[in-house]
Amino acid sequence: GQQVMQIPQYQHVQEGEDFTTYCNSSTTLSNIQWYKQRPGGHPVFLIQLVKSGEVKKQKRLTFQFGEAKKNSSLHITATQTTDVGTYFCAGLSWGNQFYFGTGTSLTVIP
Amino acid sequence: NAGVTQTPKFRILKIGQSMTLQCTQDMNHNYMYWYRQDPGMGLKLIYYSVGAGITDKGEVPNGYNVSRSTTEDFPLRLELAAPSQTSVYFCASSYSPGTRSPWEQYFGPGTRLTVT
Repeated sequence: GQQVMQIPQYQHVQEGEDFTTYCNSSTTLSNIQWYKQRPGGHPVFLIQLVKSGEVKKQKRLTFQFGEAKKNSSLHITATQTTDVGTYFCAGLSWGNQFYFGTGTSLTVIP
Repeated sequence: NAGVTQTPKFRILKIGQSMTLQCTQDMNHNYMYWYRQDPGMGLKLIYYSVGAGITDKGEVPNGYNVSRSTTEDFPLRLELAAPSQTSVYFCASSYSPGTRSPWEQYFGPGTRLTVT
């Protein structure tokens, strides 16, 4: 079955440092979505990537979709305490099911 | 708009009991989903629906049933609850224009279920 792996599982950074999480799929994806979940909360949509090699930015967040559409990354520049949470990728293959990665839990130390 | 609402917020069940988790969305989305999230894990798709009257199994459907009689509602039924069904359950909805991939998913606040 399809698998979406995400690394690292945990990341602790000092405030102001950068952070990156990586997502890898066992199959080619039609698109990939990224979500953020605060502790005790529900996932909140961040962005969707569709095109091979696509790069999108949202302020300090940069999202990339690999050329082969099997991997993706989220990079946060100069982390802030408000960035704390778990970041999930969710890959859509050529059907209607999204497969979520295991998530990367980010802790920002003030 | 209330978005996606779920009831109840918390529930404790005894082994073998049954219950229905309610989910309602007011965004006129055609797609709806049920996920479960175990501690420290990602979300696993239980069932999904692409429109009223149409449902399909996800990755982990065993022990669950769903129905979609209206666009707004997508209840999840647990029959014969087992400890392995202790989890947080999230309902989500999204819009898909025609044959294209669904857009962003909007999640409800979740239901925390414990089976003892």
